[in-house]
Amino acid sequence: AQSVAQPEDQVNVAEGNPLTVKCTYSVSGNPYLFWYVQYPNRGLQFLLKYITGDNLVKGSYGFEAEFNKSQTSFHLKKPSALVSDSALYFCAVRGYNQGGKLIFGQGTELSVKP
Amino acid sequence: GAVVSQHPSRVICKSGTSVKIECRSLDFQATTMFWYRQFPKQSLMLMATSNEGSKATYEQGVEKDKFLINHASLTLSTLTVTSAHPEDSSFYICSARTGPSSGNTIYFGEGSWLTVV
Repeated sequence: AQSVAQPEDQVNVAEGNPLTVKCTYSVSGNPYLFWYVQYPNRGLQFLLKYITGDNLVKGSYGFEAEFNKSQTSFHLKKPSALVSDSALYFCAVRGYNQGGKLIFGQGTELSVKP
Repeated sequence: GAVVSQHPSRVICKSGTSVKIECRSLDFQATTMFWYRQFPKQSLMLMATSNEGSKATYEQGVEKDKFLINHASLTLSTLTVTSAHPEDSSFYICSARTGPSSGNTIYFGEGSWLTVV
């Protein structure tokens, strides 16, 4: 069965500092991995995805994520956090031949303080 | 970029009534759409996969007679919550998948808040 784990419910970062939001996955075969961000009372916005190719994926708003097959991880990173990055972040996985069916992690609330 | 629209964004209905939520892909055709349910500050739970021109595929534990899904065209899927009860109050989010030429990217709607009183 496919699953995604985000081990941290909340991450607190000072503005200007680098941030990391962790994600590990379990899936049969090659994974398709995604990061989405959700602002209060809003839908999900796509940040980036890994399908194949370079392990370092660059996405929207300066975010990037590194796919690590041996550690089954896909951590989200940003070199310099902004207060406006404060939101709920979801990692998701889709197994091969699963269409668009995504399995989401439990979410990590990122708080960036000035 | 691709946009997925949900309507209404907020709805209040009385117990026992039915309410319909629409999900539209505005600038692409989506043969497949997905409906999720989300409780406050929790993850998204996939309810069903909506397939254009065929029956929806429901996840285990989701009552198909209560949550009716219709995907009548390549740009519209609807979720009808029938005989709504207060425990159905939740945030409902849909997503739609672009075609292979657009990378099979999945876009989400803005969500619909349902409150059953």
